[in-house]
Amino acid sequence: GAGVSQSPRYKVAKRGQDVALRCDPISGHVSLFWYQQALGQGPEFLTYFQNEAQLDKSGLPSDRFFAERPEGSVSTLKIQRTQQEDSAVYLCASSPGRGREQYFGPGTRLTVT
Amino acid sequence: KQEVTQIPAALSVPEGENLVLNCSFTDSAIYNLQWFRQDPGKGLTSLLLIQSSQREQTSGRLNASLDKSSGRSTLYIAASQPGDSATYLCAVKDNAGNMLTFGGGTRLMVKP
Repeated sequence: GAGVSQSPRYKVAKRGQDVALRCDPISGHVSLFWYQQALGQGPEFLTYFQNEAQLDKSGLPSDRFFAERPEGSVSTLKIQRTQQEDSAVYLCASSPGRGREQYFGPGTRLTVT
Repeated sequence: KQEVTQIPAALSVPEGENLVLNCSFTDSAIYNLQWFRQDPGKGLTSLLLIQSSQREQTSGRLNASLDKSSGRSTLYIAASQPGDSATYLCAVKDNAGNMLTFGGGTRLMVKP
């Protein structure tokens, strides 16, 4: 079976541009997470969905970051007016349910120039 | 707020050595702890998941232990191989939340 997939794998954006990052979770997984990983550091939590409901967005660094999962499957993380400090790898993870193991996608490496 | 620390940040060993990676966390009210492996430019691969009620988990040459009361976990790798070279990340899930809190990772190099 397919794992978690993310697209694009690499994205270069000029400062001020908007970007959209896509995550396709494992089929049937109700929980979906977004994490941000800066170079040389561990991932940091951004936001969490259970089905289509965004239950926790406490990790989003600013109101320029927005995430959605309208049908409880595919999720999109949108960053408006990108800044250089947004450069990082954005990881998506899915899980069959609360407390269960999280499975990670390959990530999208975003570089803001 | 939960904080997770991994020591050492980097480790280089000759092939065949047994080694221990350390992870500590500040809040002992955890639901579970997970060890991951990350290869350069890749996502995270789950190695072992330990529930809060468990003391250890084993998979092949890997053994992870958990001492919740002291806020510590160790990952033991037996008979290390060059293919084990990667970054190893420890992450905890608290009782209160749903997300994982990660340590900074240990970058392991196993030399042939």
